[in-house]
Amino acid sequence: ETGVTQTPRHLVMGMTNKKSLKCEQHLGHNAMYWYKQSAKKPLELMFVYSLEERVENNSVPSRFSPECPNSSHLFLHLHTLQPEDSALYLCASSQGGGYGYTFGSGTRLTVV
Amino acid sequence: AQSVTQLGSHVSVSEGALVLLRCNYSSSVPPYLFWYVQYPNQGLQLLLKYTSAATLVKGINGFEAEFKKSETSFHLTKPSAHMSDAAEYFCAVMIQGGSEKLVFGKGMKLTVNP
Repeated sequence: ETGVTQTPRHLVMGMTNKKSLKCEQHLGHNAMYWYKQSAKKPLELMFVYSLEERVENNSVPSRFSPECPNSSHLFLHLHTLQPEDSALYLCASSQGGGYGYTFGSGTRLTVV
Repeated sequence: AQSVTQLGSHVSVSEGALVLLRCNYSSSVPPYLFWYVQYPNQGLQLLLKYTSAATLVKGINGFEAEFKKSETSFHLTKPSAHMSDAAEYFCAVMIQGGSEKLVFGKGMKLTVNP
């Protein structure tokens, strides 16, 4: 399998649940990212993991917790979410050198 | 800070007509600029990128963009729209330093009418 794969594609969870989003890349890239895409808002960079650094957007609530066990896998752990967290969560990877990102198809999250 | 601006949120064209999607950037250093396309229920796909080589950049699906420093613009064009071009288009600038970080514009939804 090639490219960036995200699972699940769709997720409905209650506000008291705990769930995790998974992202896997088979491109040999050395950086991975989580973005949040909400309706009528710009794409929001949530987290960056690379050989150089881990970067967190300070505006991301602590109910979102990233994990990057190796350069090919990235998780986003979710707990006690709010309805306003409903969005499309996109994972991306890059190899550096100005080539840009390769995106996964996203996880559509609905918090009820 | 580096940023991009896409004015408006929606463009509608007829099939066969010119497609013009505008993007203006703000950057204190020579920017790396990108256009991405997003089809419904999918992730973003790279259309083309400018990385300080040729100012006219050709991408996939017949799209191209021209970097104009004097106008701080990187507009996306396609001579003849096809129904399959209906999607949302995002302009992005790369933040320099450390790992690569892309900052996206708000996006532009393109509708193609038959």
